[in-house]
Amino acid sequence: TQLLEQSPQFLSIQEGENLTVYCNSSSVFSSLQWYRQEPGEGPVLLVTVVTGGEVKKLKRLTFQFGDARKDSSLHITAAQPGDTGLYLCAGTGTASKLTFGTGTRLQVTL
Amino acid sequence: DTAVSQTPKYLVTQMGNDKSIKCEQNLGHDTMYWYKQDSKKFLKIMFSYNNKELIINETVPNRFSPKSPDKAHLNLHINSLELGDSAVYFCASSPRLAVWETQYFGPGTRLLVL
Repeated sequence: TQLLEQSPQFLSIQEGENLTVYCNSSSVFSSLQWYRQEPGEGPVLLVTVVTGGEVKKLKRLTFQFGDARKDSSLHITAAQPGDTGLYLCAGTGTASKLTFGTGTRLQVTL
Repeated sequence: DTAVSQTPKYLVTQMGNDKSIKCEQNLGHDTMYWYKQDSKKFLKIMFSYNNKELIINETVPNRFSPKSPDKAHLNLHINSLELGDSAVYFCASSPRLAVWETQYFGPGTRLLVL
């Protein structure tokens, strides 16, 4: 079974701070996606990374796929209250399905 | 013009009852999914269908029976509900059966079994 562990589980920071969320596995994934889920809604895709070492930027969010394609990170610069939510990584492996990570709950306060 | 819609949004029922959740997508996608999100927010796939054909059945109890009458609909029927079935159930769709495709999630159905 492929498992994706995210850290930290919970993160409470003030507006303007930077943060990094990690997504780790002992398995290799062919691609990795990051989703954000707001309370009462379904997850929404932020990015897909495919190549080992790939870095993608989405405004203040920077996503990196590890060289060995076993891990990924999400870095947020100058966090804002609108960044609050549950961040989920999800990997695609040998089976034709997404395996979701354990999730990171981010709270950004004024 | 909701892309993926689910009904009902909330479902409260007694143990032992049978209930159904409906999902519809108006995106013209070929593939649809059911996921379960537990109280710790862990999201796990249950089923996937491609062009009305069952593709993935992830060791889900056979009390759960999905049905896809057409490409745009994927319903989930649950027999003999148990306390452990309480969770949020999400329907999703993607253009094709390829895991790197973007999956579009519905708003979820919050099921509480008493």
